[in-house]
Amino acid sequence: DQQVKQNSPSLSVQEGRISILNCDYTNSMFDYFLWYKKYPAEGPTFLISISSIKDKNEDGRFTVFLNKSAKHLSLHIVPSQPGDSAVYFCAASGLTSYNTDKLIFGTGTRLQVFP
Amino acid sequence: KAGVTQTPRYLIKTRGQQVTLSCSPISGHRSVSWYQQTPGQGLQFLFEYFSETQRNKGNFPGRFSGRQFSNSRSEMNVSTLELGDSALYLCASSSRQEGTETQYFGPGTRLLVL
Repeated sequence: DQQVKQNSPSLSVQEGRISILNCDYTNSMFDYFLWYKKYPAEGPTFLISISSIKDKNEDGRFTVFLNKSAKHLSLHIVPSQPGDSAVYFCAASGLTSYNTDKLIFGTGTRLQVFP
Repeated sequence: KAGVTQTPRYLIKTRGQQVTLSCSPISGHRSVSWYQQTPGQGLQFLFEYFSETQRNKGNFPGRFSGRQFSNSRSEMNVSTLELGDSALYLCASSSRQEGTETQYFGPGTRLLVL
């Protein structure tokens, strides 16, 4: 049972435009969400996170939006740059509920930013 | 601060052998988690250690085990290797601050079982 879903396996965006990556989750006990970027042969790199008490968190070109009622979050990258081309993973944690660092990951979305 | 380090980076084993992977967390981090990444299953949680105690365990067979030492370094062991164990094994460390938490990943150990 996939508790965190990224339904788009790939996304292609022109440089300078907005990239929107989506993530849905099913477990209402999740209260902390993260986005990681991963290049081939490297470990995931933390990008941005959001707690369930917020609906938006912004860090430079990256903004994460959380819609708790829809159990949906999205990552916006504006403007997109070729160096953003990577696989993006959404992850969720039931931090306060389970007292654990365990992350449940989505299957990833491969973003390609072309000139 | 140095990041999470994992050794070895690459490993080739044959079926039936066992393997031990090592992870050194970021200095000051007491929590270490292990994940397996495969093309078919994505990133899946193996187990998590905090202060030398296993705090959580994923859905993997008993052939997968781990431990954490007093300096927070962690090892994971896979016994009786199977072809399907070929994967990228990732270690992540974390430190809770202000009720929130972020895990930082190492580069991974790529294991190939022949």
